[in-house]
Amino acid sequence: GQQLNQSPQSMFIQEGEDVSMNCTSSSIFNTWLWYKQDPGEGPVLLIALYKAGELTSNGRLTAQFGITRKDSFLNISASIPSDVGIYFCAGSLNDYKLSFGAGTTVTVRA
Amino acid sequence: EPEVTQTPSHQVTQMGQEVILRCVPISNHLYFYWYRQILGQKVEFLVSFYNNEISEKSEIFDDQFSVERPDGSNFTLKIRSTKLEDSAMYFCASKSYSPIGELFFGEGSRLTVL
Repeated sequence: GQQLNQSPQSMFIQEGEDVSMNCTSSSIFNTWLWYKQDPGEGPVLLIALYKAGELTSNGRLTAQFGITRKDSFLNISASIPSDVGIYFCAGSLNDYKLSFGAGTTVTVRA
Repeated sequence: EPEVTQTPSHQVTQMGQEVILRCVPISNHLYFYWYRQILGQKVEFLVSFYNNEISEKSEIFDDQFSVERPDGSNFTLKIRSTKLEDSAMYFCASKSYSPIGELFFGEGSRLTVL
């Protein structure tokens, strides 16, 4: 199956800092997605990307779909305490399956 | 706001017992999924279901697993004879006809196999 490599695995950041994480894949995807998971909850969709090269924003979040269709990054600007959580990238070729990265755990120092 | 609901939120069972996890997807959605997440690990795809049949399944989804949509609202995952390694959070998800990005997850059912 498709392998997604997500980095960094974890990060500690100061409130107000910008955050960046990325995902690479061994194979191409037609869709890249970024989810956030809070403890004891299911993943919540943050941003969906459908075209190679696409750059999309959602508030303080910005994500890009790499030109090669094998990578994506997520930026969080001016982090706040509620940004704490685990961020997962996910990729899909079709309607039937998402492959997830291993996650980036973000902890914000107040 | 419509949401995917799952029951039970937590189930503890003995190894070898059968378990049924239940999900009520969002009402106008057409595609249904089960994913699982072993504690501290990534979310893994199990199975997708569309038009009353399995459309894709992973190697995790062996003969011990089955899914069913017994009526117009419920979507169930059955594990016939649970093993210790089945302990995980199981997430149901659904989407409408829109691209796969619009996948809505439930809050999960935690299964603990003793």
